[in-house]
Amino acid sequence: DAKTTQPPSMDCAEGRAANLPCNHSTISGNEYVYWYRQIHSQGPQYIIHGLKNNETNEMASLIITEDRKSSTLILPHATLRDTAVYYCIVRVPPAGGFKTIFGAGTRLFVKA
Amino acid sequence: NAGVTQTPKFQVLKTGQSMTLQCAQDMNHNSMYWYRQDPGMGLRLIYYSASEGTTDKGEVPNGYNVSRLNKREFSLRLESAAPSQTSVYFCASSEPDRGRTGELFFGEGSRLTVL
Repeated sequence: DAKTTQPPSMDCAEGRAANLPCNHSTISGNEYVYWYRQIHSQGPQYIIHGLKNNETNEMASLIITEDRKSSTLILPHATLRDTAVYYCIVRVPPAGGFKTIFGAGTRLFVKA
Repeated sequence: NAGVTQTPKFQVLKTGQSMTLQCAQDMNHNSMYWYRQDPGMGLRLIYYSASEGTTDKGEVPNGYNVSRLNKREFSLRLESAAPSQTSVYFCASSEPDRGRTGELFFGEGSRLTVL
């Protein structure tokens, strides 16, 4: 699985969009980009994933660049409850890539 | 819906003692995983089981053993606990069949302290 690079921390004002970047320059053609978040000390929670098209669900949007070497997770209206560590992962789903490796992630602080 | 259940939630051991962390999932998933998370760090994969009857090493398998007891249960054993194994342990499961998201579902974690 390709490696990812994320900033260690970011701040965002409550109500504003939070844009979390991820670099995955060595991603291969069949690897998807996944995002998870971990609130406080709970188990990580799946947010969204995509291959090359932009994706949106009830939690967030995922924007993947055309060359697929980077992506951005967007929380459109961040709330205090979105304060968490966000992990960007690339892997081949679902049959391959059992070895899902988490990096250090980005610690997002949403401030009132 | 219980999802992924881990026991115990808290445990204190002395160096050299052994213990087993239990994990069970009720989502009929084929794949299960054990991760550890040290303070301020990301998750590191210890072992995983792609399907019933198979197990494979992850990033940090030394000092641990696993058993995939059946499709529902995946246990992690520390034979001789060391202070370096003080951590929070997370179990997860996923469904690898094509057409699904392949997302991981995590338990609430087991907090282990080795003195």
